[in-house]
Amino acid sequence: NAGVTQTPKFQVLKTGQSMTLQCAQDMNHNSMYWYRQDPGMGLRLIYYSASEGTTDKGEVPNGYNVSRLNKREFSLRLESAAPSQTSVYFCASSTQQGRETQYFGPGTRLLVL
Amino acid sequence: ILNVEQSPQSLHVQEGDSTNFTCSFPSSNFYALHWYRWETAKSPEALFVMTLNGDEKKKGRISATLNTKEGYSYLYIKGSQPEDSATYLCAFSYGQNFVFGPGTRLSVLP
Repeated sequence: NAGVTQTPKFQVLKTGQSMTLQCAQDMNHNSMYWYRQDPGMGLRLIYYSASEGTTDKGEVPNGYNVSRLNKREFSLRLESAAPSQTSVYFCASSTQQGRETQYFGPGTRLLVL
Repeated sequence: ILNVEQSPQSLHVQEGDSTNFTCSFPSSNFYALHWYRWETAKSPEALFVMTLNGDEKKKGRISATLNTKEGYSYLYIKGSQPEDSATYLCAFSYGQNFVFGPGTRLSVLP
């Protein structure tokens, strides 16, 4: 089992460009999450999907959109990247929203110039 | 958004020392308290999940306790080793939400 995979591992964007971060899990988990990690801020939830077909905003959703393509895949899209979105992005999944342990992907490091 | 606090922010100990750190969380609407270990350049790895007041969990030299009535959890490391150096995150889940603390960064000096 690969667990949670993320692509790309690293990306450089110019302000205003768009891109999609991909996440997939092979653990048959119902819930998936996108976090960003900034120095001194810990992990902050951007969006989550409690189950296939549903998505909800987390703490810091502005500037992002998500798609739960199927049970395995949950993508994060930046429509018009801004320097404030420079961060490390982590995808995670769990069997059940809220209570259960989350399993994290390796992260995507994004630099917006 | 409810707040989860961790203390200390960072900690340096000598190899062989035992250490502990604290996670504070709101005591209302409690579902579970999670501890994660996060090494530099890797992704967070789950250590424990605790759901009941008084829960104690242990994995090797690492253990954790939970007090849901007063809203805190302790993580203990006995006989710290250099490979224990990492950031230790706690996370509080309530309802459909999952809130991480800022972490305690542990450095174990050989």
